[in-house]
Amino acid sequence: AQRVTQPEKLLSVFKGAPVELKCNYSYSGSPELFWYVQYSRQRLQLLLRHISRESIKGFTADLNKGETSFHLKKPFAQEEDSAMYYCALLDTGRRALTFGSGTRLQVQP
Amino acid sequence: DAGVIQSPRHEVTEMGQEVTLRCKPISGHDYLFWYRQTMMRGLELLIYFNNNVPIDDSGMPEDRFSAKMPNASFSTLKIQPSEPRDSAVYFCASSSTGLGDTGELFFGEGSRLTVL
Repeated sequence: AQRVTQPEKLLSVFKGAPVELKCNYSYSGSPELFWYVQYSRQRLQLLLRHISRESIKGFTADLNKGETSFHLKKPFAQEEDSAMYYCALLDTGRRALTFGSGTRLQVQP
Repeated sequence: DAGVIQSPRHEVTEMGQEVTLRCKPISGHDYLFWYRQTMMRGLELLIYFNNNVPIDDSGMPEDRFSAKMPNASFSTLKIQPSEPRDSAVYFCASSSTGLGDTGELFFGEGSRLTVL
């Protein structure tokens, strides 16, 4: 069965510091992975998807099949990055997203 | 479009009472998902529909939970009887033509349920 693991419930960094939010997955097929973000008082929304190889708001995430990881990174954190981040895996058989338990990022001034 | 609309936003009830959560998906979206969010377990998929038909309800915790989608613009999630451990934020989300192309789910603002 597919599984998404986010080992950190809380990550606290200072403004300007690098950020890495960890995500590991287990899936028997070819994985499609995503990061979703929930800012305070806003809806949960898609941040980026691995297939697009895009950088959104300075965040990037590289799929590492050898390590079964999809860590989210940003070289210089900003206070407005403070939010709840969820890693998600698409189960192509079920046509549904399986989410990790989430990591709360706190960027301190 | 106002996006996915959920009601109520907040619900406080007593153990044993029936709870009904409602969702209106984005017009034209043919997939609808119900998720539950808790501090301990994060976001869990409860059930999802495609073209109003339940496809996968394996995440529904027990028989006390039921969900319906009588038409393309309305879905309900019912808990009867409710228990304190059901306290959580329940999210509804919708998407168009499955998730394979974009992986993008559009979420509602959630219904925060507290069972005393």
